[in-house]
Amino acid sequence: EADIYQTPRYLVIGTGKKITLECSQTMGHDKMYWYQQDPGMELHLIHYSYGVNSTEKGDLSSESTVSRIRTEHFPLTLESARPSHTSQYLCASSEYSDGLAKNIQYFGAGTRLSVL
Amino acid sequence: DQQVKQNSPSLSVQEGRISILNCDYTNSMFDYFLWYKKYPAEGPTFLISISSIKDKNEDGRFTVFLNKSAKHLSLHIVPSQPGDSAVYFCAASPNFGNEKLTFGTGTRLTIIP
Repeated sequence: EADIYQTPRYLVIGTGKKITLECSQTMGHDKMYWYQQDPGMELHLIHYSYGVNSTEKGDLSSESTVSRIRTEHFPLTLESARPSHTSQYLCASSEYSDGLAKNIQYFGAGTRLSVL
Repeated sequence: DQQVKQNSPSLSVQEGRISILNCDYTNSMFDYFLWYKKYPAEGPTFLISISSIKDKNEDGRFTVFLNKSAKHLSLHIVPSQPGDSAVYFCAASPNFGNEKLTFGTGTRLTIIP
């Protein structure tokens, strides 16, 4: 059973506000990811991290930023929220297993963000 | 350009019958494939995976088949149960060791009691 937590689950906020979406995992995984998903669409990777102080942008350009100061914590920040940021944001983590990159990513429940 | 395609947005299957979900990919560098299941208001949950060195992987009621020449994989669920009703995502990863997953758009499976 995966232990990865996202808060808040739902967030409705006005344009221009700064927001931080929290993601924590208790599995000691080095690798963590942020995905963005719109209804009926695929998950798009927007950020990933291979460990502390390591962050990279994903395949989908995003105005959000991330930090990885502790292994277990990977928060995502939007400095100035806009209606175009309305979406679901999913956090995931993974580890290598048995010397092979099985890449099983474990997901949190997600944060559904609505920017008015 | 969608590299992983799930062309059926929805599928309805009678309870007890076989559910077959399909996935096509275009990137020949993909060599590891996963299926995830997602219930409403929850994150995706890993279901089953297969590497390109195999053409079949089985786990209980779930079997994934990979046809590399056709760049096609399918997930078979038999027998289908009401709890299988969910959205199923196909995902692919290039070059064993690269963790970046490319997802399809999902297929909503409904099991009819």
